Parts: sequence; structure tokens; C-alpha cells
Amino acid sequence: GAVVSQHPSWVICKSGTSVKIECRSLDFQATTMFWYRQFPKQSLMLMATSNEGSKATYEQGVEKDKFLINHASLTLSTLTVTSAHPEDSSFYICSARGLAGKYEQYFGPGTRLTVT
Amino acid sequence: SQQGEEDPQALSIQEGENATMNCSYKTSINNLQWYRQNSGRGLVHLILIRSNEREKHSGRLRVTLDTSKKSSSLLITASRAADTASYFCATGVSGANNLFFGTGTRLTVIP
Repeated sequence: GAVVSQHPSWVICKSGTSVKIECRSLDFQATTMFWYRQFPKQSLMLMATSNEGSKATYEQGVEKDKFLINHASLTLSTLTVTSAHPEDSSFYICSARGLAGKYEQYFGPGTRLTVT
Repeated sequence: SQQGEEDPQALSIQEGENATMNCSYKTSINNLQWYRQNSGRGLVHLILIRSNEREKHSGRLRVTLDTSKKSSSLLITASRAADTASYFCATGVSGANNLFFGTGTRLTVIP
């Protein structure tokens, strides 16, 4: 149980275009989902926390107008990178937390974004 | 920053040897978790230890937690080549839903 999927697993796009990444909890309802960014050989940096039906909470330094997050249902959150630039190239990972009182987060397999 | 630090940054051992990774953190925590990440992949949850626990085992994994020193260790016994990966500690704190990740240890197990 507790499987989280991400789609696409990798994407290449041109500068100036927008890319949408989906994160789905497959067998549980995720009240909270998290979006992380990871540069090569570095740790995960939290970008934002999203709760179903409410606005996402962004970490300091993360542009909310550039990284649009929508958590429209208890099983789906999306991250849209708008007007992508080469410096947005990174590995984006989502995680989901389900049951209240449980600390574990379940991570998606990640999405490799390359902006040319 | 609440991000933890892991030591060593990289570790290379022979198959069959034990691997020990350490994690230090800065604030009071509710729990500490260890995750594994294969190159270019997502994270796999390994083990969770709560702040009132001192040691936990899961298969070949042994985790200790010393809240007085704000540190934890992950021991992998009888390592295998398939254990090659990056290992991250992550802390959960009161009032925050998210986890704070350590800097990670890259483990290489040589067959």
C-alpha cells in the first residue's frame, strides 16, 4: 500500500513554455502533499506544502507565480512550472501524507525536468 | 535552517562489511526517519523512530536516536552491492507537516 505516482517521469521542454507534473496517491487519500526539488547530488529542498482544497504554502524563496500548485482532490496534486528557464531544470519529487497521526511520507518516483 | 547534516558525505565499503551513517539535527523533534534513494529515483522509506525511542531494528537496519545529542545513526549490517544508494535522514517537528531532510550520505558497496 501507500503508493505515490508521478507523471511524467521525465520531460524536456523549451524555454518559455510551461510544464505540468502530476502527483497521485494511488491507494490512499492524501490530505497533504509536498513538492520537493533536488539538484544533482544534493538533498531535497521543500518547495511547498499543499492541502486538499486550499492554497499551497510556499517556502521562502519559492515563487508561487512560477510554481503553481493545485491540490484539487485527495488523490491528485499538480505542479506547473510556468515560463520555464534552464535554471528550472531539476528533479522534482512529490510526497504524500495520508492518515492523521501518521508521520510517514510516501514519495513519488520523481520527475526529471530539462529546460533547453 | 532546520536541515540536518549527515556524516560521512560519502562512504565506500566492501560487500559484507557494515555501514554506519550519522545524522545530526538542530531542533527538538517528534520523529526521525531514514530514507533511501537510488540514483535518479524517488525516496523509499526505511524506518521511523519516535523521539521517545532509542533504538529500532528492521531486518539488516539498526537505527539509534540520542535526543540529548540531537543525533541518529543508521547501521546497515552485512552490506550488499544492492545497498548502493544515497541515504537521507529526515526529521519531523511539532507544528510542521513537512520533513526536514539531511544532506545525505552516498553509500557505495563494492562487490
